[in-house]
Amino acid sequence: GESVGLHLPTLSVQEGDNSIINCAYSNSASDYFIWYKQESGKGPQFIIDIRSNMDKRQGQRVTVLLNKTVKHLSLQIAATQPGDSAVYFCAENSSSYKLIFGSGTRLLVRP
Amino acid sequence: DAGITQSPRHKVTETGTPVTLRCHQTENHRYMYWYRQDPGHGLRLIHYSYGVKDTDKGEVSDGYSVSRSKTEDFLLTLESATSSQTSVYFCAISDKTGSSGNTIYFGEGSWLTVV
Repeated sequence: GESVGLHLPTLSVQEGDNSIINCAYSNSASDYFIWYKQESGKGPQFIIDIRSNMDKRQGQRVTVLLNKTVKHLSLQIAATQPGDSAVYFCAENSSSYKLIFGSGTRLLVRP
Repeated sequence: DAGITQSPRHKVTETGTPVTLRCHQTENHRYMYWYRQDPGHGLRLIHYSYGVKDTDKGEVSDGYSVSRSKTEDFLLTLESATSSQTSVYFCAISDKTGSSGNTIYFGEGSWLTVV
């Protein structure tokens, strides 16, 4: 069944284009950040992480950018594919056991 | 999947009945969590555990209790289920904290409906 919010911001992209998903975080003391992908009916899946001593980190087809000055995080997906359609969450950690999650963005990939 | 099994995966129960959700991990991770996910609220932490018999409350702990008698098992109990506890419940695990890399890995979820 549907497991995520019905009123999420939505980004619609053409298959093959690049996608950029943005996230504003709340705590200037946060020192570790993660992006998760959640497909319908499934649990959140780890995509990529970044520590606060970095500005950029690249994975396979994904890049995370961190701007600590404005407390902004972005996830770039290159050559977006239909399988990338999902809800994407950012999460921040401020030296505790817990993560604080953003509300998420729905990515729709048009064929 | 990160070696996390949740049970049951789907349950319908009546208001006022007790419900227990089970999370079992095979990763030997120290930290375990229970989250709920609702439209408009995202993922919210209910309770977490930082070791056997060591638990603490999260942001939405009212109406829930937890127990961790073994490293691999973390139980979430609704003592008397209410309709507001209809939700999707996710168990999660991690082996580090803070900037060491507190990557939390999630289970597949338990869909609970309270009627």
